[in-house]
Amino acid sequence: GAGVSQSPSNKVTEKGKDVELRCDPISGHTALYWYRQSLGQGLEFLIYFQGNSAPDKSGLPSDRFSAERTGGSVSTLTIQRTQQEDSAVYLCASSSTGDYSPLHFGNGTRLTVT
Amino acid sequence: GQSLEQPSEVTAVEGAIVQINCTYQTSGFYGLSWYQQHDGGAPTFLSYNALDGLEETGRFSSFLSRSDSYGYLLLQELQMKDSASYFCAAGKSTFGDGTTLTVKP
Repeated sequence: GAGVSQSPSNKVTEKGKDVELRCDPISGHTALYWYRQSLGQGLEFLIYFQGNSAPDKSGLPSDRFSAERTGGSVSTLTIQRTQQEDSAVYLCASSSTGDYSPLHFGNGTRLTVT
Repeated sequence: GQSLEQPSEVTAVEGAIVQINCTYQTSGFYGLSWYQQHDGGAPTFLSYNALDGLEETGRFSSFLSRSDSYGYLLLQELQMKDSASYFCAAGKSTFGDGTTLTVKP
């Protein structure tokens, strides 16, 4: 596609429910990143996929968070047993290589946990 | 670990020049990038410095001094549409908290 696509754009869920956020990166981009951004804050790194290598999960805040990337393309971020502090915008980005090429971001999913 | 510091807010007038500084502490270094984010929008890439010196892209320039662990983004001929948040980033995993630039007429 022309850019990074994320869905849904908005998600409201009740505390304790599980949610799945989807990211469709730019075709051909081997690197895919997930970030979390709270209101007025910077981007908090969550997880990084590079090709077929094992993902870098060092940013995941708890074991309630997990992500997978199927076929080296689409990625899903799953948050189990959501808490109110999980409310944030979740941004996905892709790049053509791991370190030196720019990130291309999707428009994010705004998650609200009530 | 890595951390980056940048001013939280900067205000300037239309047509002026503004500089947004970024200092960093890193255990490894993969260059300094700058991103722009308008309210409610996605961050967009502006500039990247892997080596010391100045990179120029139109009205925007970015500078890096690795010996000083310091960089800046320079915006010239400011326009109202430049009002946004600007983030410096070390590699892909560490971002500063962002500088909110307000351009006044």
